[in-house]
Amino acid sequence: EAQVTQNPRYLITVTGKKLTVTCSQNMNHEYMSWYRQDPGLGLRQIYYSMNVEVTDKGDVPEGYKVSRKEKRNFPLILESPSPNQTSLYFCASRIQRGGRWETQYFGPGTRLLVL
Amino acid sequence: SQQGEEDPQALSIQEGENATMNCSYKTSINNLQWYRQNSGRGLVHLILIRSNEREKHSGRLRVTLDTSKKSSSLLITASRAADTASYFCATGIASGTYKYIFGTGTRLKVLA
Repeated sequence: EAQVTQNPRYLITVTGKKLTVTCSQNMNHEYMSWYRQDPGLGLRQIYYSMNVEVTDKGDVPEGYKVSRKEKRNFPLILESPSPNQTSLYFCASRIQRGGRWETQYFGPGTRLLVL
Repeated sequence: SQQGEEDPQALSIQEGENATMNCSYKTSINNLQWYRQNSGRGLVHLILIRSNEREKHSGRLRVTLDTSKKSSSLLITASRAADTASYFCATGIASGTYKYIFGTGTRLKVLA
């Protein structure tokens, strides 16, 4: 089944304790992306990756890191989490066909609480 | 205002009525997508419309795109209680970047 998976689905942590949220897709998509969703603000893009070893900042990259060492995986790293990073996080992927980008597929979300 | 703003922010209708949501954006786009999200859950893709298309249909959904006005609308016909959700538009930016920008969403409530 074609899907985007995220782990963990729920996470409670404390300020300053490094954490990683994993994202994996089995559709051989070139493009992967991370978003955060906060009440009243919709989804905001954190980082995206066009392909292996190619990443770029979205609109809200501060406090986050990403890496793309393999095509299927795109982990989101919070080196020193702070309470303002408490949010619902979504990973997504999409493919390019004939020079045109197709729809994005979203993971189920990771709810993060930073105390 | 940010790219991809939906209007209205909230909409409450009776079952069987039509629901129309609008999305405005600022910069040139490659495509625009509409998504549905049930409370706190993942996003479900509804329709993708490209910048050279003006209208698309999918079942009870109809999406229009007016690039001259930088706006799109999503029409849900004969709404059902199960359509209750938040609806988001997302724009794929046309030039120099591969960002994707979401609006803040329209919360639709369909009353049985």
